[in-house]
Amino acid sequence: SQKIEQNSEALNIQEGKTATLTCNYTNYSPAYLQWYRQDPGRGPVFLLLIRENEKEKRKERLKVTFDTTLKQSLFHITASQPADSATYLCALARTSGTYKYIFGTGTRLKVLA
Amino acid sequence: GAVVSQHPSWVICKSGTSVKIECRSLDFQATTMFWYRQFPKQSLMLMATSNEGSKATYEQGVEKDKFLINHASLTLSTLTVTSAHPEDSSFYICSAIGDLAKNIQYFGAGTRLSVL
Repeated sequence: SQKIEQNSEALNIQEGKTATLTCNYTNYSPAYLQWYRQDPGRGPVFLLLIRENEKEKRKERLKVTFDTTLKQSLFHITASQPADSATYLCALARTSGTYKYIFGTGTRLKVLA
Repeated sequence: GAVVSQHPSWVICKSGTSVKIECRSLDFQATTMFWYRQFPKQSLMLMATSNEGSKATYEQGVEKDKFLINHASLTLSTLTVTSAHPEDSSFYICSAIGDLAKNIQYFGAGTRLSVL
């Protein structure tokens, strides 16, 4: 069955450091992968999208890599700030026929001041 | 831009009653809307995919008669939880896609349903 795994434990890092979150998947061939941020009691907010033929994508302090051979995506937040504390979800999508998204369980990031 | 409004944000109801949740795309036309359910500290579970003017496509294990979805216009989809029971208590979130080429989901703020 299709499976997406993210760091199950919460990730605590010191302010100013780079946070790296992992998303691994099995039994799936996504056309693209997305990262979302979710704050408690709120809906997810889109951050970045990377397609299967792209290796890396950047947006301000955010960087995403996508390795379809390893079936893994890494999400980096450089110069992290306490305001970056949230749960980060990866989502895989395949566009054959109807759109269908599968979300990972998320990694809770806490940036310590 | 790309704002999705979900209402209500929180609802408490008695067992056996029905609850309707609305999802509106405020500044774009949503070709497709999705309904998710999320349990505490768990991921979003896709319940159904909704396209304007057609019947919703439900995921395996989701009861169609229990969770009625209506996508009456390009800006509005509703989810009705019929004859709600305590086990239906959860966080329900909708999302919408405007431009299929961009493949970005815009999410509502979610609805916390508590069934007594």
